[in-house]
Amino acid sequence: GAGVSQTPSNKVTEKGKYVELRCDPISGHTALYWYRQSLGQGPEFLIYFQGTGAADDSGLPNDRFFAVRPEGSVSTLKIQRTERGDSAVYLCASRLGRDDSPLHFGNGTRLTVT
Amino acid sequence: QKEVEQDPGPLSVPEGAIVSLNCTYSNSAFQYFMWYRQYSRKGPELLMYTYSSGNKEDGRFTAQVDKSSKYISLFIRDSQPSDSATYLCAMTLSGNTPLVFGKGTRLSVIA
Repeated sequence: GAGVSQTPSNKVTEKGKYVELRCDPISGHTALYWYRQSLGQGPEFLIYFQGTGAADDSGLPNDRFFAVRPEGSVSTLKIQRTERGDSAVYLCASRLGRDDSPLHFGNGTRLTVT
Repeated sequence: QKEVEQDPGPLSVPEGAIVSLNCTYSNSAFQYFMWYRQYSRKGPELLMYTYSSGNKEDGRFTAQVDKSSKYISLFIRDSQPSDSATYLCAMTLSGNTPLVFGKGTRLSVIA
């Protein structure tokens, strides 16, 4: 079946602008995660949804970052007043709600803030 | 000290070699251990998934977890040029808690 889909694949924006990144999880996956990956680093956790609610948002770096999942499927990561340091690949992943189910990643959105 | 340490490499080996990749970690509460492969400009792809200590084999890949030493390994037998990628170790406390990743090891298999 279809994997995790992320759009856009690339986004270039100017410093100070607002951006939205979209994630379509695998159908039936109740848990959804956002990670951020900088060059030469492993992915770093941002936020995790179980259904519609954010179960853990402890990885969001500051209040410019916000994410929603209003119907328990598609999720949007929103970044306000972007800064050059926000440039990274933003990865979305989903899994079934079972404890032993592994995480499946999308190909990410490469965000460049100029 | 980071929670998960992984040598970033790069590691270059000839085709057919056995590759050994490893990670150490500091949190003894980690229970689930994973290895992901990441090709350039792609998302991480799950290779191996292990619960608690022990070995798991899948084709040319073997994952080992030694919780007493807080050390995990991935072995690749008969390595192929198509194995050239970055290999990320990851681990978590329980099924739902977020994964903690290593930095990744960049592997090149030379034909």
